[in-house]
Amino acid sequence: GEDVEQSLFLSVREGDSSVINCTYTDSSSTYLYWYKQEPGAGLQLLTYIFSNMDMKQDQRLTVLLNKKDKHLSLRIADTQTGDSAIYFCAESIGNNAGNMLTFGGGTRLMVKP
Amino acid sequence: GAVVSQHPSRVICKSGTSVKIECRSLDFQATTMFWYRQFPKQSLMLMATSNEGSKATYEQGVEKDKFLINHASLTLSTLTVTSAHPEDSSFYICSASSGYQIYNEQFFGPGTRLTVL
Repeated sequence: GEDVEQSLFLSVREGDSSVINCTYTDSSSTYLYWYKQEPGAGLQLLTYIFSNMDMKQDQRLTVLLNKKDKHLSLRIADTQTGDSAIYFCAESIGNNAGNMLTFGGGTRLMVKP
Repeated sequence: GAVVSQHPSRVICKSGTSVKIECRSLDFQATTMFWYRQFPKQSLMLMATSNEGSKATYEQGVEKDKFLINHASLTLSTLTVTSAHPEDSSFYICSASSGYQIYNEQFFGPGTRLTVL
């Protein structure tokens, strides 16, 4: 079965790096995603990684994937107060754009000035 | 990127009434739309998947007669909460995908907050 887990809460100081972790159980995941949700809003795709990649960097964001351990992480460099939000990791299986996503429970990131 | 809108953004209704929520893909054709429900401080729970022109596929535990989904065109899906009760109060989010992304992206709407009194 599919199961995606995340820690509930992370607090960092402005300017520090944040690392949000996620574990998943389905080894047939094709794509893994990180979404950001600000209060009262929908989800914004931050980045994604294909399952045959180990790392992906996009400006302040670095995604690391350890497929052997089924572990995904999102590192935010130079974290800003505007990064305070809930971050969801998600996985999809297969190559069909209509495939469902399985979400983790979300990690609430709080950035202190 | 692709834009998905939802209407209304917020609705308050009396118990026993029905509420319709619209989800539109504004600049692309959405062959598949998804409806999620999110309780406070919790993750998104997939309610159903709908493909244009066919019946929605509901997740286990979701009452299809309670949550009516219609995907009549490639740019519009509607979710109707029938005979709403206070326990139906939640944040409902839709997402849409076309057949053309190479990374299976779903584009999410801004959500609709439903409060049933």
